[in-house]
Amino acid sequence: DSGVTQTPKHLITATGQRVTLRCSPRSGDLSVYWYQQSLDQGLQFLIQYYNGEERAKGNILERFSAQQFPDLHSELNLSSLELGDSALYFCASSVEAGGHNEQFFGPGTRLTVL
Amino acid sequence: AQSVTQLDSQVPVFEEAPVELRCNYSSSVSVYLFWYVQYPNQGLQLLLKYLSGSTLVKGINGFEAEFNKSQTSFHLRKPSVHISDTAEYFCAVIASNTGNQFYFGTGTSLTVIP
Repeated sequence: DSGVTQTPKHLITATGQRVTLRCSPRSGDLSVYWYQQSLDQGLQFLIQYYNGEERAKGNILERFSAQQFPDLHSELNLSSLELGDSALYFCASSVEAGGHNEQFFGPGTRLTVL
Repeated sequence: AQSVTQLDSQVPVFEEAPVELRCNYSSSVSVYLFWYVQYPNQGLQLLLKYLSGSTLVKGINGFEAEFNKSQTSFHLRKPSVHISDTAEYFCAVIASNTGNQFYFGTGTSLTVIP
């Protein structure tokens, strides 16, 4: 158990819909990262937040957005969903924002878009 | 930007045999290198990382990796594998001075045969 929690574990929805994935980082970690893992794209970095502010952006679509709240939990919002958005979405957290910090991964949310 | 190539998508190996999982990276700046393991239906777990110093890095579960700057490689090795090592292994790179974004390889599926 990494100490990072993600809800829900599974999510099934239809094309065009909007969903919200939630992540609670390890106690004391200030930085949160979101990743998408799919069979065709592999594991891709989406976005990073540090202490409530956006720190880095990766291959995140405009239809996706995220935020980190004052209690440090984070939400990833996916809208106008397409079949290709079906994937495993991971959240990770680290103590600080620098690249040398170990990232602790949550168990993931499996999104299926029908 | 950085990139990672994992040369083998699948590696079958007999129990108690040695194994090497290959990783090459591309970067115009200094990098940090990581190996993560993903067991079925779980998130990623850090095996080991190279930040600086000794090029031979030892990690958890008996794994080690060697950073070779001239060959831009960071191969993962274990002298004797167990059934429990069956998992997906990911190599990742991040720029050491400015990096906030991990770049992951496509993964190597290690299957240990009894």
